[in-house]
Order: sequence, then structure tokens, then C-alpha cells
Amino acid sequence: EIVLTQSPGTLSLSPGERAALSCRASQSVSSNYLAWYQQKPGQAPRLLIYGASSRATGIPDRFSGSGSGTDFTLTISRLEPEDFAVYYCQQSGSSPFTFGPGTKVDIK
Amino acid sequence: QVQLVESGGGVVQPGRSLRLSCVASGFTFSDYGMYWVRQAPGKGLEWVAVIWYDGSNKHYADSVKGRFTISRDNSKNTLYLQMNSLRAEDTAVYYCARGQFSVAGTLLDWGQGTLVTVSS
Repeated sequence: EIVLTQSPGTLSLSPGERAALSCRASQSVSSNYLAWYQQKPGQAPRLLIYGASSRATGIPDRFSGSGSGTDFTLTISRLEPEDFAVYYCQQSGSSPFTFGPGTKVDIK
Repeated sequence: QVQLVESGGGVVQPGRSLRLSCVASGFTFSDYGMYWVRQAPGKGLEWVAVIWYDGSNKHYADSVKGRFTISRDNSKNTLYLQMNSLRAEDTAVYYCARGQFSVAGTLLDWGQGTLVTVSS
């Protein structure tokens, strides 16, 4: 089983600041199968990034993904008020298709 | 646009069964792998099961293997999750999601979820 570890657990930042979220895998993940999701309270998750670095339809370009192998990063270049949420990474290359525990981005 | 609408959740006693449904629209259902993902109250996301586009292959999380069965009816654009021998730890919001590919892949679109509460 591929275990995904996300850090930090919580990131406290102000609007306009840059956020860098880390996702590390216990073994190599094909970049084709690493995704990032955003979830706001009371809502379903929403796909942000697929294939490690491709933005999903309608996702603003302040969101970007990078990385390969076991180290991946989601970067939000300038936080907008609507970006404060929980972010999950997930791998779908190898069953079980695990999620990371999430990083909460909250307002400082 | 893509719509996924889950139903069938509710309160059920431990050891009993429940069947969830997910009706899909806005895409060719029979072309895509489909997922169930759950989220216990205040917790993170947990992948539950996936089924290939034609139902020929299925995978399950260890936590539900042998108790839950994923299936689909492509003629009805509907995904199912049969949950047997339910436990308190199965209490969660259950989401269905469309896979990126015919066999699985990234979870492209999600339903709004249906809440299952296992309690005596």
C-alpha cells in the first residue's frame, strides 16, 4: 500500500500570501496518477490538479502542482479568501487508491 | 454538465445492511470507471471501492473487503454500493465519483454525498 503523508497539517496564512503544501509517498507514484483536491466545509471535494501538474477545468492559474517520484507540491501563489480550505493529495496508480490525511489552510 | 446524485443513506443498526445508489448524467456512464469514497465525521477522505467501466474488475479497501460490494448498471446509468455487516466505524458521508479513465484514474467529478449512520 502506498502511504501518502501531507505536511504541514495546518498552514496559517494571510490573504495574498503564498502557500506550499507537501505530499510525500512511501513509494514512487507515477506522475500520471497524483492528484490534489480541495474541500470546503459541508461540500464535496473538488479536483484541482491531476497528473501532478495539470489544472482541472476552471481552476485558476494561481494553483499549480509539481513534483515526481515520491515528492509532490501544491502551490497557491496568492491566497484568495475562497482558498481557505482543506487540501488532499491522492494516488490512483496502484490499489488501494490512497488519500493523504490533508492539509488545512486557515486564515492567520 | 456532469451530475452524480447519491441516495440510500440513513440510520442503520450494527450488523444490518444498506444499499447506496448513485445516478449519473451528463456523460457516457458506460465509458468510465466509478468510485466510492467516504468521510467519517470530522475526518479525512477514505477510498472505499472502484469498478471498471464494464464492471469486469473491482477493487476494495481492506476495511470493507468481504462486507461491501460495488456494482453498476450501465443501462440505468447507476452505480451501487451494497454494504453488509455494518459497523459503527462505517459511519460516514459516502461520495460517488467519476474516474478519469475507463479503468480508474483521478476522481474527476464528485456527488454531494449521502450520510450513513450506524448506530443502535
